[in-house]
Amino acid sequence: AQTVTQSQPEMSVQEAETVTLSCTYDTSESNYYLFWYKQPPSRQMILVIRQEAYKQQNATENRFSVNFQKAAKSFSLKISDSQLGDTAMYFCAFFTPYGNNRLAFGKGNQVVVIP
Amino acid sequence: SQTIHQWPATLVQPVGSPLSLECTVEGTSNPNLYWYRQAAGRGLQLLFYSVGIGQISSEVPQNLSASRPQDRQFILSSKKLLLSDSGFYLCAWSRGQEDTIYFGEGSWLTVV
Repeated sequence: AQTVTQSQPEMSVQEAETVTLSCTYDTSESNYYLFWYKQPPSRQMILVIRQEAYKQQNATENRFSVNFQKAAKSFSLKISDSQLGDTAMYFCAFFTPYGNNRLAFGKGNQVVVIP
Repeated sequence: SQTIHQWPATLVQPVGSPLSLECTVEGTSNPNLYWYRQAAGRGLQLLFYSVGIGQISSEVPQNLSASRPQDRQFILSSKKLLLSDSGFYLCAWSRGQEDTIYFGEGSWLTVV
């Protein structure tokens, strides 16, 4: 079974600064997808960024970028120019098409952006 | 564009009462549909998923059930709620097995 580990429980960052969230995963599959989801106080789960394992280039979405290290099974998220609206719980998630349609989630990192 | 809606947003039910949470997806056909539960301070747990009408797979044995009466409708039910059923329930959809999963707004269930 695939596991996803996020080890930093809560992080605070000043507005306009940069914060990096770490995520590691364990799998024997070669084809898979990695995601970062954001869950603000409204509790809705919002997709932040997606990375296909077969792509070497790191995904970027506006102020959000990832550092995907396939050999190390590491998938970190960098939030640049942090904004107050970035305050949320961030979940790393793993999906393989060879599994049972299960999106495996980490336990989440709380990010608080301070004005 | 595709949208997903689930309701009710908030529900307070007594122990032993029935439950029905509904979810619909618009703007796509034959989506994969999912029900997740998020207990307080925890990640998401997959409860059910469906790849087509009448096709339901259960991930966790419990007193909950799911049904898919129409292509874009997914219902989570229980005949008798337990206190442990309290939590935040999220419906989700995807276009296929290799696509991103998108979530609804969620439903808060408190069993008292």
